[in-house]
Amino acid sequence: DIVLTQSPDSLAVSLGERATINCKSSQNILYSSNNKDYLAWYQHKPGQPPRLLIYWASTRESGVPDRFSGSGSGTDFTLTINSLQAEDVAVYYCHQYYIPPRTFGQGTKVEI
Amino acid sequence: EVQLVESGGGLVQPGGSLRLSCSGSGLIISDYEMYWVRQAPGKGLQCVSAIGDRGDSTYYADSVKGRFTISRDNSKNTLYLQMSSLRTEDTAVYYCVKRHINGWADHWGQGTLVTVSS
Repeated sequence: DIVLTQSPDSLAVSLGERATINCKSSQNILYSSNNKDYLAWYQHKPGQPPRLLIYWASTRESGVPDRFSGSGSGTDFTLTINSLQAEDVAVYYCHQYYIPPRTFGQGTKVEI
Repeated sequence: EVQLVESGGGLVQPGGSLRLSCSGSGLIISDYEMYWVRQAPGKGLQCVSAIGDRGDSTYYADSVKGRFTISRDNSKNTLYLQMSSLRTEDTAVYYCVKRHINGWADHWGQGTLVTVSS
């Protein structure tokens, strides 16, 4: 199974500042045939289902604010939240859909 | 609009059984690969079971293999997870999840809580 390791496990960021979350895959998840990285990012708030933020490592889902951005390729990926807002307090997960079983990182808790 | 609505969760004693259901609207569940993903208290997300879009392939996490069975009723547009020999460590919120044709999990139900306790 592909293991996704996120860092840090938690971080505290001031309002308006930047949050950076890393996700490292135990295997390359870049598919050479289409040059796409099979990685997504989700935001998860208590009492709600996870919300898709990013797919193909860097493509923002419709309706997601542009302060959220994804980058990276191969085995190393980053989710960046610019100008953190109070409503961004949540746990963030990376998710690989390259090969089954589809796996998630352990989550990173973002606090103010 | 795609909606997935889970039901069937509740309190069950260790060793007991439950069947979770996920009713779909705005989509034909049999057209997609579907998952059950759970979140135990204080833990992260774990895909415990999946069924292929043709229903000819299934996946189970090692922790539930032999105890859980995923299935679909196409006539009811419903996904199921039959859980037996439940353990306290199966306590979690269980989400029904649809896989986008390109791979990512794009729609999630609201989740149903399963509590295994004596």
